[in-house]
Amino acid sequence: GQNIDQPTEMTATEGAIVQINCTYQTSGFNGLFWYQQHAGEAPTFLSYNVLDGLEEKGRFSSFLSRSKGYSYLLLKELQMKDSASYLCAVMDSNYQLIWGAGTKLIIKP
Amino acid sequence: GAVVSQHPSRVICKSGTSVKIECRSLDFQATTMFWYRQFPKKSLMLMATSNEGSKATYEQGVEKDKFLINHASLTLSTLTVTSAHPEDSSFYICSARDRKNTIYFGEGSWLTVV
Repeated sequence: GQNIDQPTEMTATEGAIVQINCTYQTSGFNGLFWYQQHAGEAPTFLSYNVLDGLEEKGRFSSFLSRSKGYSYLLLKELQMKDSASYLCAVMDSNYQLIWGAGTKLIIKP
Repeated sequence: GAVVSQHPSRVICKSGTSVKIECRSLDFQATTMFWYRQFPKKSLMLMATSNEGSKATYEQGVEKDKFLINHASLTLSTLTVTSAHPEDSSFYICSARDRKNTIYFGEGSWLTVV
């Protein structure tokens, strides 16, 4: 079967750095996405990785290792507004997204 | 950047009536659009995949006659919830895929059936 695993919840301090991990097993691979979702809103796109390595976008970075079926989202200089759920999703061989359950990130002052 | 617009953002309808939700890609052509339903405390559930000019492909367990999907053009897909019931109340989200295979999401639509 296909599955995406990520931690259910994480807590971090404002100004700190947090890494959210995602492991996956899917039938085929056409890229991995990270989305941010605030309660009651649709997810918003953060990053897309299809090749191994680190992609940096401002305070957010995403890493992919296809051989290990592993990705992480790194958030630096955490702000209170970063409190949200972070969803990992893999596009399979049929170009459909397989979603993780999401990681709820709680930022404390 | 690419924007996907979903309308309406919130809608209340009476039980037994039908309601239509629109999903538009504003600055790119989307050959494929996806419709999701968000269940509380769970990740998005894919309902169907909509390809322009052809019938939608529904996921197992999703009623085709209840959730009508039409992808009339490269920028518009619609989801019609027919004969809505209170259990259909949910958050419905669409997404569109561009030619680079990047997925962009709409803002979502809250449906409340009373």
